[in-house]
Amino acid sequence: DVKVTQSSRYLVKRTGEKVFLECVQDMDHENMFWYRQDPGLGLRLIYFSYDVKMKEKGDIPEGYSVSREKKERFSLILESASTNQTSMYLCASTPGLAESYEQYFGPGTRLTVT
Amino acid sequence: AQSVTQLGSHVSVSEGALVLLRCNYSSSVPPYLFWYVQYPNQGLQLLLKYTTGATLVKGINGFEAEFKKSETSFHLTKPSAHMSDAAEYFCAVLWGYQKVTFGTGTKLQVIP
Repeated sequence: DVKVTQSSRYLVKRTGEKVFLECVQDMDHENMFWYRQDPGLGLRLIYFSYDVKMKEKGDIPEGYSVSREKKERFSLILESASTNQTSMYLCASTPGLAESYEQYFGPGTRLTVT
Repeated sequence: AQSVTQLGSHVSVSEGALVLLRCNYSSSVPPYLFWYVQYPNQGLQLLLKYTTGATLVKGINGFEAEFKKSETSFHLTKPSAHMSDAAEYFCAVLWGYQKVTFGTGTKLQVIP
């Protein structure tokens, strides 16, 4: 089974702190994604990466950056956390093949910024 | 960009009743379509997907969906709801390389 793990299930940070969210997948997938999920808004793509050191902005990249130094790991960085970044963050991965565009999700990190 | 519309943010059904969750999409190209389910405090998992071929797609847990190109719809159904079906359901469309748009979700409540 594909497994996508996220470093924390719950996280509480203060405004202005630098926050790192880590995601690891164990199936050698090329593509990895970071989404945020908010009630009534569904999932919105923050960034995705299609290869090591490669990244592309999603729909809402402002206030976030990402890092992918190894194929299995994709990190989301909040440079200076703000209260409007309180949300559920979901990591996902996919292999590169067209017939396998199913996304495999981690359990999510619920981040609260106070 | 494409859009996905899920009618009804909350749907309630009685246990044993038909489940119908609606999804319409906008796409100028033949899409790949997905339904995902999210149980409380968990990530999303795939219920079913349509890529090509048969327009009636069967998924896990007795769910199925039918792709209707003329209606740009991909509604999710299950003949008989079970308490364990209570969750949030997301429709999604793949419209470019790794470009996925999700709907806003429908929370399904199953009443005993």
